[in-house]
Amino acid sequence: AQSVTQLDSHVSVSEGTPVLLRCNYSSSYSPSLFWYVQHPNKGLQLLLKYTSAATLVKGINGFEAEFKKSETSFHLTKPSAHMSDAAEYFCVVRRLTGGGNKLTFGTGTQLKVEL
Amino acid sequence: GAVVSQHPSRVICKSGTSVKIECRSLDFQATTMFWYRQFPKQSLMLMATSNEGSKATYEQGVEKDKFLINHASLTLSTLTVTSAHPEDSSFYICSARDRGNTDTQYFGPGTRLTVL
Repeated sequence: AQSVTQLDSHVSVSEGTPVLLRCNYSSSYSPSLFWYVQHPNKGLQLLLKYTSAATLVKGINGFEAEFKKSETSFHLTKPSAHMSDAAEYFCVVRRLTGGGNKLTFGTGTQLKVEL
Repeated sequence: GAVVSQHPSRVICKSGTSVKIECRSLDFQATTMFWYRQFPKQSLMLMATSNEGSKATYEQGVEKDKFLINHASLTLSTLTVTSAHPEDSSFYICSARDRGNTDTQYFGPGTRLTVL
């Protein structure tokens, strides 16, 4: 079975400093992994996805994530945080089932950006 | 970009009544839509997969008679919470998979249901 573990429920950074949101995955197959962001009162937005192509994936708003098979990790990073980055972030793995394309969400990381 | 809408955004109802939530893909066709439930400060849990023109597939532990799903067209799926109780109060989110791009799900903004 595929699953993801988000190691931090809350992360707080200062504006302009780097962001690191950690995610480890468990999968017996080469997984498809995603990062979604959820702003209050808005729908979940896809930041980036890894589907067995390049291991370093660039997403929107300056975010990127690196798939590391040896560490079973898919951490999300951004060089410089902006106030607008404050939101809930979910690491997601796509399940391999007969139904196809079902997503399993991590428990989420609340990112706080301070002045 | 692909847009998914939900209606209503918030609903308050009395215990024992039924509530219908609509999920629409506005600029693409979705043969498959998904319904999730999110409790406060928790993750999204998949409830069911809605397939256009066929019966929905429910996740283990989700009562199909309680949460009725209809996917009558390529752009609309509905979730009806029947005989709602306070424990059904939650944030319900739908997503739609683009027929032409099955790799990505696009999420609606969610519906906040409060059952009194």
